[in-house]
Amino acid sequence: QVQLQESGPGLVKPSETLSLTCAVSGYSISSGYYWGWIRQPPGKGLEWIGSIYHRGSTYYNPSLKSRVTISVDTSKNQFSLKLSSVTAADTAVYYCARATTDTTVPLPYFDYWGQGTLVTVSS
Amino acid sequence: QSVLTQPPSVSGAPGQRVTISCTGSSSSIGAGYDVHWYQQLPGTAPKLLIYGNSNRPSGVPDRFSDSKSGTSASLAITGLQAEDEADYYCQSYDSSLSGYVFGTGTKVTVL
Repeated sequence: QVQLQESGPGLVKPSETLSLTCAVSGYSISSGYYWGWIRQPPGKGLEWIGSIYHRGSTYYNPSLKSRVTISVDTSKNQFSLKLSSVTAADTAVYYCARATTDTTVPLPYFDYWGQGTLVTVSS
Repeated sequence: QSVLTQPPSVSGAPGQRVTISCTGSSSSIGAGYDVHWYQQLPGTAPKLLIYGNSNRPSGVPDRFSDSKSGTSASLAITGLQAEDEADYYCQSYDSSLSGYVFGTGTKVTVL
């Protein structure tokens, strides 16, 4: 069973960098799939932040691209998110997820999700 | 930045059928991109409900079905049950934004 677990500070100061890690168990990241980050501000909807292919190619939400970096560490079987210059608008529950495709469904869909971690941006 | 529009809420009595629309554009659903659906129970992470052309992951009952036409897609829930009370999101891709997009979300209430 594939499991994902987010970890990182729950409180970040404005203008600083938010850093989160997603530990994956039950599947080796280096074997394939896309791995992504999605966030959800309190009481609001879902927003895709970005994804990374197991070989390292990255895809970012254009609205966040200038501030986002996603990387993968296959030796630790985890991937990470860095979001710089945060403001209160970045306060959200951050989810990591696995995205997969198949021959009949070419658009990646998120089939496994972490439980999410709340990150609050405040001084 | 949602470019997929859903009704904020829908409701129905137990046993009834409800539908949730997901309206996109010519650069998203209208361009032929797949639409996926997720269910988010209160206080939990989203769960994949339907992917691609009406594919359901193991364990998802066939009471859930979807359809797509033009620039819109729909999720139908038949035989509505109390456990279906949740938020539902559609997801696709928008070529004009060069990224994956989620719908605005719909809260389903079982009366």
